[in-house]
Amino acid sequence: QSVLTQPPSASGTPGQRVTISCSGSSSNIEINTVNWYQQLPGTAPKLLIYSNNERPSGVPDRFSGSKSGTSASLAISGLQSEDEADYYCAAWDDSLNGVVFGGGTKLTVL
Amino acid sequence: QVQLVESGGGVVQPGRSLRLSCAASGFTFSSYSMHWVRQAPGKGLEWVAVISYDESNKYYAGSVKGRFTISRDNSKNTLYLQMNSLRTEDTAVYYCAEGSGGSCPAGYWGQGTLVTVSS
Repeated sequence: QSVLTQPPSASGTPGQRVTISCSGSSSNIEINTVNWYQQLPGTAPKLLIYSNNERPSGVPDRFSGSKSGTSASLAISGLQSEDEADYYCAAWDDSLNGVVFGGGTKLTVL
Repeated sequence: QVQLVESGGGVVQPGRSLRLSCAASGFTFSSYSMHWVRQAPGKGLEWVAVISYDESNKYYAGSVKGRFTISRDNSKNTLYLQMNSLRTEDTAVYYCAEGSGGSCPAGYWGQGTLVTVSS
């Protein structure tokens, strides 16, 4: 049972916009920033979004992040086949004194 | 370019110890906190531990506290994870990651090293 809650799966067709939610609490998302990671099969995770809504250089602007209260979201617009991957949210938890990850969302491009 | 290369993984019996290393290059290692994150086969990411740039602060996941120790040698640009009293549930790919710009792992990760705890 992960501290941050994500839907286990999401799907969309090419060109569509999909969102992935990440639900936390007052000790993590509400008071700390959220990162999002993309993990392609057999590879290390890649930072997709940091500080709630910032993109590292090289990440397409099709990816965007937002945060409100104890929840955060990752949006992917103009869905492409290469976006098929696992996506994870993460934040520092002040009660646990550690980083907490969501359980991950497997995105399927139909 | 930035490189993080983990080593030290392998097969170990329950109750034994193992030390992982993460060799860093291409950035100022001594200026950044560093994380260990693991992923059990077919499972999601689990954060393991973080160490501040100067070793003054170390934090651990509850599942490894008291058994694992994170450390670093800034003169060798190397991060370590000493794993004692290993359990079968510690079987995972272990990644090191740099912690620039925030409390979470950031943009650079290693390729991972597999630790298998089995009798």
